[in-house]
Amino acid sequence: NAGVTQTPKFQVLKTGQSMTLQCAQDMNHEYMSWYRQDPGMGLRLIHYSVGAGITDQGEVPNGYNVSRSTTEDFPLRLLSAAPSQTSVYFCASRFGGAPQETQYFGPGTRLLVL
Amino acid sequence: GQQLNQSPQSMFIQEGEDVSMNCTSSSIFNTWLWYKQDPGEGPVLLIALYKAGELTSNGRLTAQFGITRKDSFLNISASIPSDVGIYFCAGRGWFVRFGAGTRLTVKP
Repeated sequence: NAGVTQTPKFQVLKTGQSMTLQCAQDMNHEYMSWYRQDPGMGLRLIHYSVGAGITDQGEVPNGYNVSRSTTEDFPLRLLSAAPSQTSVYFCASRFGGAPQETQYFGPGTRLLVL
Repeated sequence: GQQLNQSPQSMFIQEGEDVSMNCTSSSIFNTWLWYKQDPGEGPVLLIALYKAGELTSNGRLTAQFGITRKDSFLNISASIPSDVGIYFCAGRGWFVRFGAGTRLTVKP
């Protein structure tokens, strides 16, 4: 198993550009989540999905869109990047019946918005 | 919303020393979690605590769930260089909420 994979590892965007952060898992996990990590703030939940076709907002959803067309993939879209979205983004996944703390985190995508 | 205050923000210690860090919350959590993050990696769960007063160990790590359910601490005994990293507390409610982290540096 590759676990949770994220691409790209690094990205630099200009304000107003759009991009999609990719997340994939090969463990057949129902639940997938996106977090952002900012200095001095810990991780905050952006969006999550409890299965293909079902998504919901987390703590800080504004400026981000998600979709879940397959169990394996959970892309995060920035439609118009802003400097405030400079952060490290982590994707995580777990089985639906398992506690949240059992989620596996990907290695992260470091995003810089100029 | 629920706020987690984690302290200290950073620690510089000598190899072999013991380490203690703690987390307090403005609200009650039913589960407290401790994670470690190595550079360039995502967080990895170290210890999960499910009951007020619970004391749980994982090797040289010991964590406790406070009686009030609003706090938790993590101790690392006899630190070694590979303990370097950022340690996060987290409380599980509807979402998992993370503290800001304690950055640990261990000098050989």
